[in-house]
Amino acid sequence: DADVTQTPRNRITKTGKRIMLECSQTKGHDRMYWYRQDPGLGLRLIYYSFDVKDINKGEISDGYSVSRQAQAKFSLSLESAIPNQTALYFCATSDLGYEQFFGPGTRLTVL
Amino acid sequence: AQSVTQLDSQVPVFEEAPVELRCNYSSSVSVYLFWYVQYPNQGLQLLLKYLSGSTLVESINGFEAEFNKSQTSFHLRKPSVHISDTAEYFCAVSLNSGYSTLTFGKGTMLLVSP
Repeated sequence: DADVTQTPRNRITKTGKRIMLECSQTKGHDRMYWYRQDPGLGLRLIYYSFDVKDINKGEISDGYSVSRQAQAKFSLSLESAIPNQTALYFCATSDLGYEQFFGPGTRLTVL
Repeated sequence: AQSVTQLDSQVPVFEEAPVELRCNYSSSVSVYLFWYVQYPNQGLQLLLKYLSGSTLVESINGFEAEFNKSQTSFHLRKPSVHISDTAEYFCAVSLNSGYSTLTFGKGTMLLVSP
């Protein structure tokens, strides 16, 4: 089984809908991250959490929120999706913040 | 804040030719440096990293990168590429701190043709 899993893997939704992307990990890491990937822009950090009680905004947090339900679970929500949130979303985990381990990604399309 | 510049968005190369993917970083303090690879329709995987010690680091599949502090560079090289090396490569930097996050470059697509 994969160490970092993301659900759903693909999602098509409409403008204004609330969407939740989920991430689970079995690596036992305290630190978890959410990124979005856009062609030509690389990966940009949305939110990160260094432990269950810690939540921090990243470079592009506007329009997103997160919830760290447990050490192993970190969810990303789009309260009211808009078309420019169409992207590939990745969850990642790490221990001391050096090597990060990535999930397979969620491809989100907002119509 | 740190930043990363990958100068080439795409590098086409023939199989068995050498390749260099360029990466420059900007930071006022010591950094850790990483190269990640993303194969088509997959997540990112760590290729190699520089934390300390020898400035030349190697991966298990023949890639190497050299940390050059004076030129603030961490270029990735391979002496002979294979078709299977076709992927997007991301350079990333974090501060030399236990509470830093990664900042990624925009990526370089390596296209290896026969």
